[in-house]
Amino acid sequence: LAKTTQPISMDSYEGQEVNITCSHNNIATNDYITWYQQFPSQGPRFIIQGYKTKVTNEVASLFIPADRKSSTLSLPRVSLSDTAVYYCLVGDADDKIIFGKGTRLHILP
Amino acid sequence: EAQVTQNPRYLITVTGKKLTVTCSQNMNHEYMSWYRQDPGLGLRQIYYSMNVEVTDKGDVPEGYKVSRKEKRNFPLILESPSPNQTSLYFCASMGFVRGYEQYFGPGTRLTVT
Repeated sequence: LAKTTQPISMDSYEGQEVNITCSHNNIATNDYITWYQQFPSQGPRFIIQGYKTKVTNEVASLFIPADRKSSTLSLPRVSLSDTAVYYCLVGDADDKIIFGKGTRLHILP
Repeated sequence: EAQVTQNPRYLITVTGKKLTVTCSQNMNHEYMSWYRQDPGLGLRQIYYSMNVEVTDKGDVPEGYKVSRKEKRNFPLILESPSPNQTSLYFCASMGFVRGYEQYFGPGTRLTVT
């Protein structure tokens, strides 16, 4: 089970692009990289998942370099409603799931 | 609508009084899981189930029981609740695709006095 390291917190301003990087040096060959968003008192919400290179959906982009030892979640043009905790998880469907502390993102007006 | 439901959403109980929190999903997912979330400790997995009649311990299983008799339901049982089990509980489900694309329920806030 690969351990992940993320910044504890980040601040940004409305309209900016926000990039949150996650380190996972011991990622295994079969592991996927998954990101969740959580608002206070709500269950985490799946944002995006990838294995290599770049994945984009209507919410975010996920950049994964060739060595896969890190990944970057990119949120374009954030708004106040993007203030939340963001979790990076690494593993595969039959692993134990460990969330960690996540990154507390605070968007300022 | 695809969803995970939990009941009750809020519960206040007393030490030692057995309780069950229900969880149900309508996505035909094989995998289901229970988490608890406490301030400063993040989300911790209690138990998980990869299919009917298959359950495994997560990181904090002590004081909890689960069962998986049907694919859609995964109840969490506290046989003798204690105050240290006061927490916010989430149920989640996942189909067996790659990675960790889980769908979470709305949460159950449990207070044990």
